[in-house]
Amino acid sequence: AQTVTQSQPEMSVQEAETVTLSCTYDTSESDYYLFWYKQPPSRQMILVIRQEAYKQQNATENRFSVNFQKAAKSFSLKISDSQLGDAAMYFCAYRSAERYSTLTFGKGTMLLVSP
Amino acid sequence: EPEVTQTPSHQVTQMGQEVILRCVPISNHLYFYWYRQILGQKVEFLVSFYNNEISEKSEIFDDQFSVERPDGSNFTLKIRSTKLEDSAMYFCASSGGAVSDTQYFGPGTRLTVL
Repeated sequence: AQTVTQSQPEMSVQEAETVTLSCTYDTSESDYYLFWYKQPPSRQMILVIRQEAYKQQNATENRFSVNFQKAAKSFSLKISDSQLGDAAMYFCAYRSAERYSTLTFGKGTMLLVSP
Repeated sequence: EPEVTQTPSHQVTQMGQEVILRCVPISNHLYFYWYRQILGQKVEFLVSFYNNEISEKSEIFDDQFSVERPDGSNFTLKIRSTKLEDSAMYFCASSGGAVSDTQYFGPGTRLTVL
């Protein structure tokens, strides 16, 4: 079974600074998808970014980018120019390309942003 | 931009009562899901639904749970006899018909069982 580990329960960053959230996963599969979801205090899960395992190029979405290291099974999220609105719980998630119903989530990292 | 909606936002019920949580997936999506998040814990997969039947379910999804798509728009999760440990945030999600499609989540229903 796949597992997703987020080793940082909480991270802090100041506005305009850059922060990196860590995620590692365990799988025996070669084809899969990785996601970062954001959950603000409103509790709605919002997709931040996704990465296809077959793509070597790291995904980017505006201020959000990932460092995908397939061999190391690592998928970190970098937030540049942090804003107060980035404060939220961030979940890393894995989905198999074969059993594609199930998203497996990590425990989450709470990101605090200070002025 | 289309989005997944869920009602109610908060449901309070007594232990042993039946509850139905409702979701309206994104209109052209073909796969529907329910996830659960107990307070302070990770989000857990419950069930996926495709072509009017369950395509996959987790060990959490026991006989107390059922899902239904009663019409062309709604997708429901029923808990027949709620337990205290069913208190959680329940998220509905939907995705298109391709393997590569992303799951988009609704805002969740907070279920409190007293």
